[in-house]
Amino acid sequence: QLQLQESGPGLVKSSETLSLTCTVSGGSINSGTYYWGWIRQPPGKGLEWIGSIYYSGNTYYNPSLKSRVAISVDTSKNHFSLKVYSVTAADTAVYYCTRDGRGSGWYGIYFQHWGQGNLVTVSS
Amino acid sequence: AIQLTQSPSSLSASVGDTVTITCRASQGISSAFAWYQQKPGKAPRLLIHDASSLESGVPLRFSGSGAGTDFTLTISSLQPEDVATYYCQQFNSYLTFGGGTKVEIK
Repeated sequence: QLQLQESGPGLVKSSETLSLTCTVSGGSINSGTYYWGWIRQPPGKGLEWIGSIYYSGNTYYNPSLKSRVAISVDTSKNHFSLKVYSVTAADTAVYYCTRDGRGSGWYGIYFQHWGQGNLVTVSS
Repeated sequence: AIQLTQSPSSLSASVGDTVTITCRASQGISSAFAWYQQKPGKAPRLLIHDASSLESGVPLRFSGSGAGTDFTLTISSLQPEDVATYYCQQFNSYLTFGGGTKVEIK
């Protein structure tokens, strides 16, 4: 069974870089035509798509965050990563890694698999 | 960006009631639409994809309908384990979510 697990610091200082990794088990990132993504949820608020990446490295980002985020993939380690630059308190959220539900080779799809989430708090 | 407006933002219903949640898109999105259930402290769970297709393992009391700009999630006989927040999502243009509907038991 496919499992996704986020890892990374729970506390980041304002203006610094938030870095998270999603390790995939029970399946290989480069074995299918799926997109792997990041979604975040500020405490008590709704969901926001951050971006998605293909095993080849092709990426798509939320236009509202595109200037401050980067997603990368390391197929040899079967994981993908997120960086959010110049963070502020508004970046405090639970960050989820995901996999799409269709494997059509297109990022624009629903999310079938989710990690348990990693709360990141930005401190001043 | 396509905006999704969910209503109501919260509701309270009795066990066995039929519950309906709606989501309206700011422009037509065909059937590029999904519903999720999120319980406190947990990751969202996919319930419905492509507007009306039930995800494997999801109870049959959940159903989705709609196309274009108006979509509905129906829980036909509300159960205590259905207490959660429900989110809609469109994937026609970029990826956006509705604001959520919190469902409680009366």
